[in-house]
Amino acid sequence: ILNVEQSPQSLHVQEGDSTNFTCSFPSSNFYALHWYRWETAKSPEALFVMTLNGDEKKKGRISATLNTKEGYSYLYIKGSQPEDSATYLCALYHRSQGNLIFGKGTKLSVKP
Amino acid sequence: SAVISQKPSRDICQRGTSLTIQCQVDSQVTMMFWYRQQPGQSLTLIATANQGSEATYESGFVIDKFPISRPNLTFSTLTVSNMSPEDSSIYLCSVSRDRELGNTIYFGEGSWLTVV
Repeated sequence: ILNVEQSPQSLHVQEGDSTNFTCSFPSSNFYALHWYRWETAKSPEALFVMTLNGDEKKKGRISATLNTKEGYSYLYIKGSQPEDSATYLCALYHRSQGNLIFGKGTKLSVKP
Repeated sequence: SAVISQKPSRDICQRGTSLTIQCQVDSQVTMMFWYRQQPGQSLTLIATANQGSEATYESGFVIDKFPISRPNLTFSTLTVSNMSPEDSSIYLCSVSRDRELGNTIYFGEGSWLTVV
């Protein structure tokens, strides 16, 4: 059984703080890693799909890096804002499974 | 992108009853999936809805409990049968234009079911 681990489980930061969290996954037979932001009562919103070792992607104040050899990805948020409060999910697409395997998410709360 | 509408968005159901969730996409898509998130757990794939044939279920999920239909490339339903409190979850429809999930998949807003 493949496991995708996310840490920390939850995070409380002040507005303006920068923060980061981790997604760990099995490195063998890697195909793609997805990051999503999920706000309460809304659809999970796609942030990034990463496929290449060393990939770094950026969307506004949010960026992500990927290390497929050691099996981890970091998500960074620069200058957190209250509207960044959400659960951030990562999901591994592993060819042996043929579907996405999700972590439990990191719940971010940003206080004004 | 894809716009996905799910109904109902929320419901409270009696134990032993069944509920059907609908998923409508604004354009034709190759793949449609049904996920569940139980409290404190990961999003877990229930099944892949196949157009014109039986759904492909993941380990731990069976057709009698979660019958799925997909009559065309834009619509699917998931029924949660003979519900128990353990079925209280968020159920999400998702879609992809690719068979291999190296590109974005899109989600509906979810159906929040509480079984009492």
